[in-house]
Amino acid sequence: EIVMTQSPATLSVSPGERATLSCRASQSISSNLVWYQQKPGQAPRLLMDGPSTRATGIPARFTGSGSGTEFTLTISSLQSEDFAVYYCQQYNNWPLTFGGGTKVEIK
Amino acid sequence: EVQLMESGGGLVQPGGSLRLSCAASGFTFSNYGMSWVRQAPGKGLEWVAIISSSGGTTYYADSVRGRFTISRDNSKNTVYLQINSLRAEDTAVYYCAKKGIAVSNNHWFDSWGQGTLVTVSS
Repeated sequence: EIVMTQSPATLSVSPGERATLSCRASQSISSNLVWYQQKPGQAPRLLMDGPSTRATGIPARFTGSGSGTEFTLTISSLQSEDFAVYYCQQYNNWPLTFGGGTKVEIK
Repeated sequence: EVQLMESGGGLVQPGGSLRLSCAASGFTFSNYGMSWVRQAPGKGLEWVAIISSSGGTTYYADSVRGRFTISRDNSKNTVYLQINSLRAEDTAVYYCAKKGIAVSNNHWFDSWGQGTLVTVSS
């Protein structure tokens, strides 16, 4: 099983600042990674349908990068609606696995 | 607009069974693989099972294989999760999710239901 490790577990950021989230795979997953956003009491929402490809309707302040084992999600200027938990998911191997999540909270 | 509506959750005793349903609308259901993902209270996401568009191929997480069965009825636009031999650690919100690409090996999910809570307790 590929283990996805996200860091940090919690990120405290002021509105308008940049947030950088990391996701590491225990073995190479090529570019077979996506990101989701989840707000309290809501279902997850697809954010990035590839390491660097925003899903439909996702604003340009969200950018992603990486391949192999190291991936990054950056939110360039945090808005109030961006405070949430972010999960990465690999689909290179079965079983599909998610990272443990990074909670982005207001500083 | 894609809509996924789960039902069937509830309180069940350890060792019991439930069948979860997910009614889909707003897309050509028979073209898309579907999956179940769960989330224990206060925890992260855990993928559970997936079924191909035709229903002919399924995969399961090791933690549920042999106890859970995913199935679908394309005439009813519904995907199911039969869960047997329930354990306390199966307590979670169960989400159904639609694959983002109709025919592909890209197993990620672009639409999610609101979830149904399964509580396993005596």
